[in-house]
Amino acid sequence: RKEVEQDPGPFNVPEGATVAFNCTYSNSASQSFFWYRQDCRKEPKLLMSVYSSGNEDGRFTAQLNRASQYISLLIRDSKLSDSATYLCVVNYGGSQGNLIFGKGTKLSVKP
Amino acid sequence: ETGVTQTPRHLVMGMTNKKSLKCEQHLGHNAMYWYKQSAKKPLELMFVYNFKEQTENNSVPSRFSPECPNSSHLFLHLHTLQPEDSALYLCASSQDRLNSPLHFGNGTRLTVT
Repeated sequence: RKEVEQDPGPFNVPEGATVAFNCTYSNSASQSFFWYRQDCRKEPKLLMSVYSSGNEDGRFTAQLNRASQYISLLIRDSKLSDSATYLCVVNYGGSQGNLIFGKGTKLSVKP
Repeated sequence: ETGVTQTPRHLVMGMTNKKSLKCEQHLGHNAMYWYKQSAKKPLELMFVYNFKEQTENNSVPSRFSPECPNSSHLFLHLHTLQPEDSALYLCASSQDRLNSPLHFGNGTRLTVT
């Protein structure tokens, strides 16, 4: 069974805090990984792809741990505008690809 | 106009109505998708089209009927829906079906009365 698991939260943090989310996946054959951000009543938007070597984009850092089958997202210096639901997405690959979405982790940044 | 556009943004329909959702992508992508998002559930893949050919039907009831006339347009025809079909319906596209990320439209919020 192909699963992607996330802590639903909510994570309530003050402005300026550092917060980290983890996402575990069940299929070791997974080939690509993404973090999406979804604001309330809006569509998901790609935040960043997750590479084997890890990658950083400004205040956001994504890491992949294949041995333990999880990916992480670290947000430094949280802003009010970071409040959203963060979706973990795993592509199980194969000839047609198969994207599996987690239920999302809700983040609320407070003043 | 760029990206993925969906119409209508909101739709209320009775169980005996027939309606269609429209999606258009201006990204030159080869794959298009329909997803359903219900409250407290992860996104559920409904249909996939790759180079205009349907490659996946994820056990979706026949009251949902997709149509892909070309690689830029995707429709979802709705007929005799049930109240439990009320949800956010999201169209997405990607460059290919392998490792490319999805680009979503802004969705159609459907209410079935």
